[in-house]
Amino acid sequence: GAVVSQHPSWVICKSGTSVKIECRSLDFQATTMFWYRQFPKQSLMLMATSNEGSKATYEQGVEKDKFLINHASLTLSTLTVTSAHPEDSSFYICSAGKVGRSSYNEQFFGPGTRLTVL
Amino acid sequence: AQSVSQHNHHVILSEAASLELGCNYSYGGTVNLFWYVQYPGQHLQLLLKYFSGDPLVKGIKGFEAEFIKSKFSFNLRKPSVQWSDTAEYFCAVIRSSNTGKLIFGQGTTLQVKP
Repeated sequence: GAVVSQHPSWVICKSGTSVKIECRSLDFQATTMFWYRQFPKQSLMLMATSNEGSKATYEQGVEKDKFLINHASLTLSTLTVTSAHPEDSSFYICSAGKVGRSSYNEQFFGPGTRLTVL
Repeated sequence: AQSVSQHNHHVILSEAASLELGCNYSYGGTVNLFWYVQYPGQHLQLLLKYFSGDPLVKGIKGFEAEFIKSKFSFNLRKPSVQWSDTAEYFCAVIRSSNTGKLIFGQGTTLQVKP
């Protein structure tokens, strides 16, 4: 199998605080992890591409200082939403591609994290 | 702008009806194509994918899709839907010249009435 987990599954925080979301590949090593944002009834929008041991590549319009991504190991990537505001409330989803297999092949998705900023 | 477009936003069918969901992309060159499904409250799951070879690909749960290069299309089909097929369906593309980034269509909500 290829299981990807996310923690927490949901989080409520106050405006101005920071929230860290973890993405783990449980039974495989992931060279590349991707972070997406999904608004209600809308599609997934790629935020950034995270490669183990290097800086993340952010999509146009995504603030890298607001959405900090760390990919310290082949099984863990973290997304930290800094100084969160209500407009950051969303569903954040990660995906992972297997080591040794191109991400062209298939990505495995986590269950997502629902962030609500009050 | 280059994109992935799903024509139907919300489809309502009765059980046993046939399904076809449209997907078009506007990228030139070689692409890899995917259909993902998101059941209520669950994470994205891969239905099927096309990389090369036979343009008619079969996926899980009786779904299939046909890649028509000349039309830049990758429509999803199922001959007879079930109530359990109620879900959100996403078409997605990876451009082979890219870094593995999936570009998603807007999604189609399928509601199957029992």
